[in-house]
Amino acid sequence: DAGVTQSPTHLIKTRGQHVTLRCSPISGHKSVSWYQQVLGQGPQFIFQYYEKEERGRGNFPDRFSARQFPNYSSELNVNALLLGDSALYLCASSLNSPGANVLTFGAGSRLTVL
Amino acid sequence: GDSVTQMEGPVTLSEEAFLTINCTYTATGYPSLFWYVQYPGEGLQLLLKATKADDKGSNKGFEATYRKETTSFHLEKGSVQVSDSAVYFCALSPISSGSARQLTFGSGTQLTVLP
Repeated sequence: DAGVTQSPTHLIKTRGQHVTLRCSPISGHKSVSWYQQVLGQGPQFIFQYYEKEERGRGNFPDRFSARQFPNYSSELNVNALLLGDSALYLCASSLNSPGANVLTFGAGSRLTVL
Repeated sequence: GDSVTQMEGPVTLSEEAFLTINCTYTATGYPSLFWYVQYPGEGLQLLLKATKADDKGSNKGFEATYRKETTSFHLEKGSVQVSDSAVYFCALSPISSGSARQLTFGSGTQLTVLP
């Protein structure tokens, strides 16, 4: 079975641009979460979606948004990119409950903002 | 708010040495506790977990015991291998109903095992 897949794996943007990152969860998983991992730090929670609804949001500015599609895949959008947005963005999926807390992570999308 | 404090790295050990990575937490109630491992160029993999006080999580020779009295969840392994070289993250998940079950991570501990 395929794990959590993310695309693109690497991308480079310049300040002020917009980026869209994509995630496909494990088959049967209806919950998707997004995390930001800055180099040398632990991941920071950005969003959780379950059944296409936002179920939680971390302490990130409104430049960050996300959505979940009917097939449970998800997109993370970041507008007006700043240098500080350079990070590894991790997507994780979990089983069919908003309360399930065992997450399976993808390999991440590494964003570099110049 | 919730927080996790991990032993600072990097940690360098010889093969077959004993490993301890300290982790303490601050949280309301009884969170679930996790250890995740991240190999170079990869995402995080769940190593082990514990959901209530005095539970012991174990996997691949690694162990950690949920200590409510000391708010700790230290990771141990009796004999490390070169293949254990990775970054280890301690994390917690709140238990309150209706929560997003978001994970709060520590800053990670880089482990290097030398042959």
